[in-house]
Amino acid sequence: KAGVTQTPRYLIKTRGQQVTLSCSPISGHRSVSWYQQTPGQGLQFLFEYFSETQRNKGNFPGRFSGRQFSNSRSEMNVSTLELGDSALYFCASSLRVNGEAFFGQGTRLTVV
Amino acid sequence: GEDVEQSLFLSVREGDSSVINCTYTDSSSTYLYWYKQEPGAGLQLLTYIFSNMDMKQDQRLTVLLNKKDKHLSLRIADTQTGDSAIYFCAEGGGGADGLTFGKGTHLIIQP
Repeated sequence: KAGVTQTPRYLIKTRGQQVTLSCSPISGHRSVSWYQQTPGQGLQFLFEYFSETQRNKGNFPGRFSGRQFSNSRSEMNVSTLELGDSALYFCASSLRVNGEAFFGQGTRLTVV
Repeated sequence: GEDVEQSLFLSVREGDSSVINCTYTDSSSTYLYWYKQEPGAGLQLLTYIFSNMDMKQDQRLTVLLNKKDKHLSLRIADTQTGDSAIYFCAEGGGGADGLTFGKGTHLIIQP
């Protein structure tokens, strides 16, 4: 069974731009969560989607948004990028909301 | 808010047992997890334990949960060089949304 796939693996963007990250969950998993990992703050929860609906949301500004499609694939968008948004972004898939999460390899975003 | 605490570093000799400790604050947590992260890689789910269990064993891994003290530990028997990584403790299913992670413990293996 294929694991969680995230694309792209690496991104370099300029301040003020926007970016979209993509995640394909494990087949059969309907929940997709997103996390941000930085050296200072560690791993922090962004949001979780289940059946195309946002179920949970972490403490991040509205510039961070996401969506989920009918095939459970998910995208995360960050608008008006700031230098502090440079981080490793992970998505994780689960069978159900707040279930055991299997993580992808992450997308490393660098904002210059 | 909810918090998960871990020691930052643990150094052990190859062949010895490693014990990584974690404390958490959310008493309503349903699941407690251990993840492994190698350099440049994603997070690998090692094992998890339900909050109504005391112990779980899976090959070289043993998880102990003391719910009264909100203390979780991961024991790796016969530690090998391939075990060198950052180990994250996480709790979920409780009051917080998503998983709450500790800062991770760097496991260093001495030859």
